[in-house]
Amino acid sequence: DGGITQSPKYLFRKEGQNVTLSCEQNLNHDAMYWYRQDPGQGLRLIYYSQIVNDFQKGDIAEGYSVSREKKESFPLTVTSAQKNPTAFYLCASKTSRRPDTQYFGPGTRLTVL
Amino acid sequence: GEDVEQSLFLSVREGDSSVINCTYTDSSSTYLYWYKQEPGAGLQLLTYIFSNMDMKQDQRLTVLLNKKDKHLSLRIADTQTGDSAIYFCAESAYDKIIFGKGTRLHILP
Repeated sequence: DGGITQSPKYLFRKEGQNVTLSCEQNLNHDAMYWYRQDPGQGLRLIYYSQIVNDFQKGDIAEGYSVSREKKESFPLTVTSAQKNPTAFYLCASKTSRRPDTQYFGPGTRLTVL
Repeated sequence: GEDVEQSLFLSVREGDSSVINCTYTDSSSTYLYWYKQEPGAGLQLLTYIFSNMDMKQDQRLTVLLNKKDKHLSLRIADTQTGDSAIYFCAESAYDKIIFGKGTRLHILP
């Protein structure tokens, strides 16, 4: 089955700790994206990557970092510099063929205590 | 810049039609999308429409596009309890997709 996996589903961390969220896809998509979702806020773009070893900041990149060493993987690190990290995080990948549709993973809910 | 606007809430009686509306700003968008999000889950692509089309029908879903007014709508016929979710309108924008804030559809018995 092709798809996007995110792990874990729920994550708890103490304030001040960095945490890395996993995102893997086997759809052979070049582009991958990280979004943050808060209640009533819709989706806000954190980082995205069009190709391996390259990535761009989205609208709310401060306090986050990413890497793209492999086509299949796009991990997101939430650093201690992120002031309000508790949120639902969604990973997506996008085909370059038309229509250029984004496909989403199931999400990770991060709670910082 | 690009922006997508949609109302935040809609209540509909079971069995009636639901119509969710959306406006967008980027007239160069090639595709417009509707996604569905159930509680605690990721977004699921429902349907999309190419910008040179006026209408697309897919079973209970009908998408209408008014390119002159930059208005997109999603009609769900015979709304069921399983349709209760958040619906996101989105437009393609070069290397990104721009999402609205989502419309929460509540089904009344």
